[in-house]
Amino acid sequence: EVQLVESGGGLVQPGRSLRLSCAASGFTFDDYAMFWVRQAPGKGLEWVSGISWNSGRIGYADSVKGRFTISRDNAKNSLYLQMNSLRVEDTALYYCAKDRSAVGPTAILSWGQGTLVTVSS
Amino acid sequence: DIQMTQSPSTLSASVGDRVTITCRASQSINRGLAWYQQKPGKAPKLLIYKASTLESWVPSRFSGSGSGTEFTLTISSLQPDDFATFYCQQYNSFPYTFGQGTKLDIK
Repeated sequence: EVQLVESGGGLVQPGRSLRLSCAASGFTFDDYAMFWVRQAPGKGLEWVSGISWNSGRIGYADSVKGRFTISRDNAKNSLYLQMNSLRVEDTALYYCAKDRSAVGPTAILSWGQGTLVTVSS
Repeated sequence: DIQMTQSPSTLSASVGDRVTITCRASQSINRGLAWYQQKPGKAPKLLIYKASTLESWVPSRFSGSGSGTEFTLTISSLQPDDFATFYCQQYNSFPYTFGQGTKLDIK
C-alpha cells in the first residue's frame, strides 16, 4: 500500500523559512515523479511543484518560483520542499503526491494527508 | 503558464440527474487532463486521466471527454456519494495547473 507521510509544517513568521519532508513507502520511489500541492483553508487546489524520478525535470508555480525549492533523495525514499521568504498567502495544507505512471510526470494518483503551514506574525 | 477555467463554480442537482462540468484550457493541452474528486476533510482522489480514462475504482456513470482546450466531466445519474468538489488539472506541461473547482451539492 502506498503511504506518503508529510512532516515539517507549523506556525512561522512572514519572511522566515520552513522545510517540508515527505516519507514515501509501499512503492518503488525512484520510479515515479513526485509533487507538492497545497490548499489554503476553504480554497481550491494549487499545484506548487513537481520533480521527475531522477530530478532531471523540475517545475514550480509562478507564485512560489524563486522562493521554494523541491528536491528528493531516492536513497531515503524522501521528497522535500524548502520554503523561503514565506508569505501570509503561503498558508495552506501542503500535500505530498505521487505520479500515476512510472513514465510520468502525469496525473496525481496518490496523496498524503497533508501538513499544515501557517504563516503569521 | 496554462490557465484552467472550470464552469460552473457551483452546481445544485438531485439524485438521478445528469450533470456536466466543463474545463477550458488557455492553450492546447492535447489530452493531458485529469479530473479529481474531493470530499470535505479528505485528500483528492483521481477520477479520470488522459481526458477520458477512468481510474479502476470509478463507477461507469462517470465519463470524461475532450481534447485540445475543451473538456467535460459527465455524471450520467447522480448518486448520493457523488456530491463533492471536482477539479480539473492539466499535466501537459509544467507548471501543472488546476481549475478553480466545481462544488456539486444537493438541490
